[in-house]
Amino acid sequence: AQTVTQSQPEMSVQEAETVTLSCTYDTSENNYYLFWYKQPPSRQMILVIRQEAYKQQNATENRFSVNFQKAAKSFSLKISDSQLGDTAMYFCAFLIAGAGSYQLTFGKGTKLSVIP
Amino acid sequence: NAGVMQNPRHLVRRRGQEARLRCSPVKGHSHVYWYRQLPEEGLKFMVYLQKENIIDESGMPKERFSAEFPKEGPSILRIQQVVRGDSAAYFCASSRREDRLYNSPLHFGNGTRLTVT
Repeated sequence: AQTVTQSQPEMSVQEAETVTLSCTYDTSENNYYLFWYKQPPSRQMILVIRQEAYKQQNATENRFSVNFQKAAKSFSLKISDSQLGDTAMYFCAFLIAGAGSYQLTFGKGTKLSVIP
Repeated sequence: NAGVMQNPRHLVRRRGQEARLRCSPVKGHSHVYWYRQLPEEGLKFMVYLQKENIIDESGMPKERFSAEFPKEGPSILRIQQVVRGDSAAYFCASSRREDRLYNSPLHFGNGTRLTVT
């Protein structure tokens, strides 16, 4: 079974600053995918960024980037130039790669507040 | 371009009543997944359905919970004789296919918040 741990229940950051959210996971699988989802107060789950485990290059999507350390089983999210609209819960999620794999395993989330 | 539609957005039930949660997937998506989010928790997988078929219900409580995805109409998650512990946000997601979710990620609805009084 896979587990995903987000050790920071809450974080805050000043607008325009940079913040890093932590995520670690445990698995015996070698091929898998990792995701960060954002859940604003509207409750909608929005995919922020994704990473394939066999790719060494860290994924980047505009102001969002990840630091993927496969050996350490770590997958942190960096948000640069934080904006008020980034205020949300952020969930790290894991998916085994391969046919027939469809269950996402989520962490408990980190509540991020961006302060004006 | 409608996404996954869930209704109602909020549902209040007294203990012992039935709760019915509806989910209309993205047009063209034939795979539906239900997840539950308990307070202070991440989402947990409940059930995976295709049209008229339950593929995997390993995350569903053994009693009182059922799900269906009929040939016509939305997917329904049904909870009979609700108890306070059923209070949670229930999310539906859909995809075009069941695998390669990396390339075809899940589309989530806004969830239904069930409160049992």
